[in-house]
Amino acid sequence: SAVISQKPSRDICQRGTSLTIQCQVDSQVTMMFWYRQQPGQSLTLIATANQGSEATYESGFVIDKFPISRPNLTFSTLTVSNMSPEDSSIYLCSVVSFGEAFFGQGTRLTVV
Amino acid sequence: AQTVTQSQPEMSVQEAETVTLSCTYDTSESDYYLFWYKQPPSRQMILVIRQEAYKQQNATENRFSVNFQKAAKSFSLKISDSQLGDAAMYFCAYGGSGSARQLTFGSGTQLTVLP
Repeated sequence: SAVISQKPSRDICQRGTSLTIQCQVDSQVTMMFWYRQQPGQSLTLIATANQGSEATYESGFVIDKFPISRPNLTFSTLTVSNMSPEDSSIYLCSVVSFGEAFFGQGTRLTVV
Repeated sequence: AQTVTQSQPEMSVQEAETVTLSCTYDTSESDYYLFWYKQPPSRQMILVIRQEAYKQQNATENRFSVNFQKAAKSFSLKISDSQLGDAAMYFCAYGGSGSARQLTFGSGTQLTVLP
């Protein structure tokens, strides 16, 4: 199993600013995944973060808007840049171990 | 690409009764995993049950069981003796085998448990 500590748990931000979300895993993992969950919706994959290489972004998500860092095998950050109210969502990080996904507690972001 | 479909946006059940949530998926892979996750208002994603595609036997976890029909690509969740704490959003998810691949999620079913 894997335990993921994600912070902040929630934040209210002004439009035009940036927020960095952190995830710490209690074991080394090759890939970490970042998801967005818009209000009342399912989880949509933003990007996959590999240690030592550029993150791989899904269609509709770009590095300038969602830069990701992966400095080691237990840590990753996702930044939501130049925020607008449309970015108000829950953001979750996740790892997969032996086919099972484990999730952080989620970050509820509200942009005003 | 894999897709997961949950056709029931909302379901309700009386406390102590049984409810079944539906899920279908599409894949060209022969080996994979299927999951049901629960997301209460706390927004923490909690694994309810997991099924390996190569196993013919349906997975069970206490009051939770699945009906896995591989040929029909169907994966329904049955909750027996429903409890108030079962109220949550339930997501069906598909995961490929092998390396640590991301999951593909269905749109979710909001389950209400009526006292």
